[in-house]
Amino acid sequence: GEDVEQSLFLSVREGDSSVINCTYTDSSSTYLYWYKQEPGAGLQLLTYIFSNMDMKQDQRLTVLLNKKDKHLSLRIADTQTGDSAIYFCRGSGGYQKVTFGIGTKLQVIP
Amino acid sequence: NAGVTQTPKFRILKIGQSMTLQCTQDMNHNYMYWYRQDPGMGLKLIYYSVGAGITDKGEVPNGYNVSRSTTEDFPLRLELAAPSQTSVYFCASSYKVPGTDTQYFGPGTRLTVL
Repeated sequence: GEDVEQSLFLSVREGDSSVINCTYTDSSSTYLYWYKQEPGAGLQLLTYIFSNMDMKQDQRLTVLLNKKDKHLSLRIADTQTGDSAIYFCRGSGGYQKVTFGIGTKLQVIP
Repeated sequence: NAGVTQTPKFRILKIGQSMTLQCTQDMNHNYMYWYRQDPGMGLKLIYYSVGAGITDKGEVPNGYNVSRSTTEDFPLRLELAAPSQTSVYFCASSYKVPGTDTQYFGPGTRLTVL
């Protein structure tokens, strides 16, 4: 499967910006996704970016893509306690190669 | 529109017992998937299906079986439960092949094998 690497843990204060980083190996990925998993729940799609884009903004979320370095980041502006969750990035290798990394646990301190 | 539903939510099995995890989607998606998520780990693909009657192995298929007799249902069968199968199981579906579409996840089934 595709290798995805993320930092395991991020702690920020409420109101600050959060930046979650991801590196991936499959350069043929057409789309790159960010999913959010709240405690005890399944994964929920947050946003995605098409591989020919450098940036996508969606309200408080900004996705940056550096194809040369195979680096994807998710910036959450004005982070709220409700943003506390595990965040997964994923590329789009064929279905049998779809794997998710360990994810980044975001802790928001009030 | 219920999306992807899974039953049961929780289950405790003894070693060697069998069970079926149910998954149903009402979005008319062609593609369905089973993942397992071990504590503190990412998701690993167990099996997937590209349509009724067609299934294939994912990354970690050993100890599991699936069937897809209808578009809506994709049950996962554990024949001889082992402690290594203690995990949270997620079912997902999508309209197209990943890479061009997103996956919608069910709430998960938490399975403990003792």
